[in-house]
Amino acid sequence: DSGVTQTPKHLITATGQRVTLRCSPRSGDLSVYWYQQSLDQGLQFLIQYYNGEERAKGNILERFSAQQFPDLHSELNLSSLELGDSALYFCASSARGLSNQPQHFGDGTRLSIL
Amino acid sequence: SQKIEQNSEALNIQEGKTATLTCNYTNYSPAYLQWYRQDPGRGPVFLLLIRENEKEKRKERLKVTFDTTLKQSLFHITASQPADSATYLCALASGTYKYIFGTGTRLKVLA
Repeated sequence: DSGVTQTPKHLITATGQRVTLRCSPRSGDLSVYWYQQSLDQGLQFLIQYYNGEERAKGNILERFSAQQFPDLHSELNLSSLELGDSALYFCASSARGLSNQPQHFGDGTRLSIL
Repeated sequence: SQKIEQNSEALNIQEGKTATLTCNYTNYSPAYLQWYRQDPGRGPVFLLLIRENEKEKRKERLKVTFDTTLKQSLFHITASQPADSATYLCALASGTYKYIFGTGTRLKVLA
């Protein structure tokens, strides 16, 4: 058990809709990362937060947004959903968000767009 | 652009043998490299981190090498077991804060 909790585990919705994915980091970790994993793309970095502030941004679409709250949990919002957004979305946490520290991953949210 | 390559084909080996997985990169000078294990339907699990000034790192049956001249990391599992069957991802530090992940190599250890 990594200590990172993601909800929901599965989400099925339609094109054009909006969803929110939630992540609770491992106890004591201040940094949260979001990744998208699809079969043909591998694990793609979306965005990183540290102690409530955005720290690094990857290939995150403008339709996607995220935030980290004072209690350190994070939410990823996906809007105007398209078929191509179907993927596994992972959250990871690390102690201080530095690249010399391991990341601890949750088991993901599987998003299916119909 | 930055690029990481791992063998996209699955690697099948016999139980008890040493499995060797390769991670090659271009247009990088990463200070750190990590290896993760991922089982189907689960999140990646951290295995090892190696720094650019370390040639080799070991943990139990696992060994990682990091050759910054060849721009390559090798990941070895000795005395492999069927329970080692999984996808293994390498990840390179891209700057101070984030990592770029390879697409992974699927390993199957045959009993």
